[in-house]
Amino acid sequence: QKEVEQNSGPLSVPEGAIASLNCTYSDRGSQSFFWYRQYSGKSPELIMSIYSNGDKEDGRFTAQLNKASQYVSLLIRDSQPSDSATYLCAVKRGNKLVFGAGTILRVKS
Amino acid sequence: KAGVTQTPRYLIKTRGQQVTLSCSPISGHRSVSWYQQTPGQGLQFLFEYFSETQRNKGNFPGRFSGRQFSNSRSEMNVSTLELGDSALYLCASSPITGDAPLHFGNGTRLTVT
Repeated sequence: QKEVEQNSGPLSVPEGAIASLNCTYSDRGSQSFFWYRQYSGKSPELIMSIYSNGDKEDGRFTAQLNKASQYVSLLIRDSQPSDSATYLCAVKRGNKLVFGAGTILRVKS
Repeated sequence: KAGVTQTPRYLIKTRGQQVTLSCSPISGHRSVSWYQQTPGQGLQFLFEYFSETQRNKGNFPGRFSGRQFSNSRSEMNVSTLELGDSALYLCASSPITGDAPLHFGNGTRLTVT
């Protein structure tokens, strides 16, 4: 079992729709969770961090954390073509971040 | 505030050679981590340095090494390059706080021929 698992996609959504990205992790003791966005040929860019159960909103992005079920999700409202990228879920384990393989999101105009 | 700076951006090396990559963290950040990214394996953790000490090491052969200087700048070295070392090498920095996220540099694209 991988430490951090994501559906590789691609996830295709029409412009203006809500994109829902999911991630599960295996280490029940994990406390810090992050979502990164990576455009093709670029480096990962931090979008959201979440540390406690529940929802955290930042603009069009909402991160959701459920530690009991060991999953983290990212919702992107009013999706735009510029949101098309790979979204990486990361879980902090000690002094390192463990990344999922990423979900490719395609927003069609 | 300047971001994480990695040099060089691109490198082409031949099998058997060695290479050194450089990373300057965000000002005030004392932790520097290195990752290798390939299409097949995704982002793989190489090592993490804090105050010139390696605190964590990933599952890579001894050909991969690194160090951190007193000004928090870091270098990683790969000796006896293999074709499979072709990858995007990413450096990331974070402040001293344990839960802080990592901020990535633009990466060094290494091609081994």
